[in-house]
Amino acid sequence: QVQLQESGPGLVKPSQTLSLTCTVSGGSISSGSYYWSWIRQPAGKGLEWIGRIYTSGSTNYNPSLKSRVTISVDTSKNQFSLKLSSVTAADTAVYYCARVGRHYDILTGYYVGGYYFDYWGQGTLVTVSS
Amino acid sequence: QSVLTQPPSVSAAPGQKVTISCSGAGSNIANNYVSWYQQLPGTAPKLLIYDNNKRPSGIPDRFSGSKSGTSATLGITGLQTGDEADYYCGTWDSSLGVFGGGTKLTVL
Repeated sequence: QVQLQESGPGLVKPSQTLSLTCTVSGGSISSGSYYWSWIRQPAGKGLEWIGRIYTSGSTNYNPSLKSRVTISVDTSKNQFSLKLSSVTAADTAVYYCARVGRHYDILTGYYVGGYYFDYWGQGTLVTVSS
Repeated sequence: QSVLTQPPSVSAAPGQKVTISCSGAGSNIANNYVSWYQQLPGTAPKLLIYDNNKRPSGIPDRFSGSKSGTSATLGITGLQTGDEADYYCGTWDSSLGVFGGGTKLTVL
């Protein structure tokens, strides 16, 4: 069973860089046809997709955050990370890491269908405050 | 402002059926598969439906999904008090992830 666990500072000062790491267990981050993603949720609000990374290092970012976001992967540690620069109070949220998977058809041996968030971390609250 | 539009709330009595709509556009829902997530209070979202209408192992068949054009629908039958949660639709738009604003389900 794949498990994801976020870690990092729970308090970040305004204008500084938020850094979080997601550790993947129960499977190799390099295996299969998966992306790895960060999603955040301000208190009482909906989900906001931040970005995703493939194990090749290819990334896609939310256009509204693209200028401040970097997602990277460390396959040797089975981890991927998020850096968000120049944070403000508006970046205060619960941050989730998630695996982005596709259905594996055992009959054909191919991954089919679309991508979806199949495994999630428990989330970590990051507060931006001086 | 979310890319996908969901009703803020829906409610129904135990045992009844409810549907939650998710409206998008040609660049997202119409050209991609839709997934649905259930978020119980204080917990992380959980995959409920993928590829428009498929249920992961362990998800009861009381939950169903459908898609037509630029809209998708989540259906829940035989409502239970344990179904009270926030529900989110999600899909992709030019390789970018997008979610609905979420729908709070109240089981009266």
